[in-house]
Amino acid sequence: AQSVTQLGSHVSVSEGALVLLRCNYSSSVPPYLFWYVQYPNQGLQLLLKYTSAATLVKGINGFEAEFKKSETSFHLTKPSAHMSDAAEYFCAVSATGFQKLVFGTGTRLLVSP
Amino acid sequence: GAGVSQSPSNKVTEKGKDVELRCDPISGHTALYWYRQSLGQGLEFLIYFQGNSAPDKSGLPSDRFSAERTGGSVSTLTIQRTQQEDSAVYLCASSLASGGAQETQYFGPGTRLLVL
Repeated sequence: AQSVTQLGSHVSVSEGALVLLRCNYSSSVPPYLFWYVQYPNQGLQLLLKYTSAATLVKGINGFEAEFKKSETSFHLTKPSAHMSDAAEYFCAVSATGFQKLVFGTGTRLLVSP
Repeated sequence: GAGVSQSPSNKVTEKGKDVELRCDPISGHTALYWYRQSLGQGLEFLIYFQGNSAPDKSGLPSDRFSAERTGGSVSTLTIQRTQQEDSAVYLCASSLASGGAQETQYFGPGTRLLVL
């Protein structure tokens, strides 16, 4: 079975500061990992995904994440926050034979000027 | 190109009534998923369709919930005898099946259901 833990339901940063959103996973088989972003009253949009190729994955809007098997982590980072990054971010896991996505509880990113 | 569309965008119903939620996936996507997003439960999987295979219904919370997919395209999620705890945003997603679990799921904007 798969599960995801996102530490911190809310993260606040200043504009221009580093963004770090934490995600730890549990999977009995090699996982595929995803980060999605949700803006108010909208669906989910894929930021990036890990599918067992490169461990450092670059996504849209300047975000990237690194898969660390030893730490069972897939943290999301962005060097410099922008006001438009304010949204809710979800980490999710799937695996071969487990087609559905299992989501974390989400982290709301607040960006202050 | 067109993304996943869902209708209605909002639905208000009375407890005990039946509701139908519709999802139009991206053209050519053979995999279709329903998820539910609620304050208490977060984002949870409901049901998964893949081509002509039997759907994976393992996430449906009760037998009041059912879904069908006609002609391998449009899907309808039906909730019978709605309860207040059914109030949530129902999200539909679709993906190409060729890559399996690593394929990106593309989400629709959701249907916000409120049961009074």
